[in-house]
Amino acid sequence: QKEVEQNSGPLSVPEGAIASLNCTYSDRGSQSFFWYRQYSGKSPELIMSIYSNGDKEDGRFTAQLNKASQYVSLLIRDSQPSDSATYLCAVNGATSYDKVIFGPGTSLSVIP
Amino acid sequence: GAVVSQHPSWVICKSGTSVKIECRSLDFQATTMFWYRQFPKQSLMLMATSNEGSKATYEQGVEKDKFLINHASLTLSTLTVTSAHPEDSSFYICSPPGTRGADTQYFGPGTRLTVL
Repeated sequence: QKEVEQNSGPLSVPEGAIASLNCTYSDRGSQSFFWYRQYSGKSPELIMSIYSNGDKEDGRFTAQLNKASQYVSLLIRDSQPSDSATYLCAVNGATSYDKVIFGPGTSLSVIP
Repeated sequence: GAVVSQHPSWVICKSGTSVKIECRSLDFQATTMFWYRQFPKQSLMLMATSNEGSKATYEQGVEKDKFLINHASLTLSTLTVTSAHPEDSSFYICSPPGTRGADTQYFGPGTRLTVL
C-alpha cells in the first residue's frame, strides 16, 4: 500500500518568515514528487515538481528530495499572507500513467 | 498547458437522484482521466481511472455500480453518481495524467456536490 504522510498542522508562521513543509512516502519505487497548493473550495494548483535528489528552486519556493530517506520537503521563503492554504504532497510512480497518491495536506497560516 | 473544464461547478440534488459530472479536455486529447474525490478537510482520494474506449478501473472500496464512468471520446469523460445520498456529498475533481519530466499535472476546477 503506497502511503504519503504529512503533518496536518496547522502550521503558523509570521509574514516574512520561512515556512517548512515536510512529507514522507513509503514506496521506494516512486519517481516523481509534487507539491500542490489548495485554497479552500478550489482545486489543487501545482507549485513544484521534483524528480531527482537535491534541491530545486523556483522563486520563493524550494523543493528538497532525499530518496534514500524517502523524504521530500517544501520551503517557502518570505512567506506572505496569500501563501495561507493547504499544501498537498503527492507522489507518482515509475510512469506518467501511474497513480498519483496524495498526502493528507498541511494547513499553513501566514500571520501578518 | 493542458486545460480541463468541469461542468457543473456545483450541484445540489435530492437524495436518490442521479447526477452527471462532465470533464472536458479543451486543448489536448485525453485517452485516460483520473477521477478524485475530496471530503471536507481531507486529501484527494483517487476513485477511478477512465480509459477511452474501454472500462474504467476503480480503486478498492469504490462502488462501480454507483459511480458510473464513461469515457466516450478523447475530450470527454463523465462521472455519474447514481442514487446519490448525503454521504456522497463531496468535491469531485478530474485530472489527466501528467507528463513525466514536465510540470503538467493539471486538475479540473472541480464539482461541488451536495446531496440533501
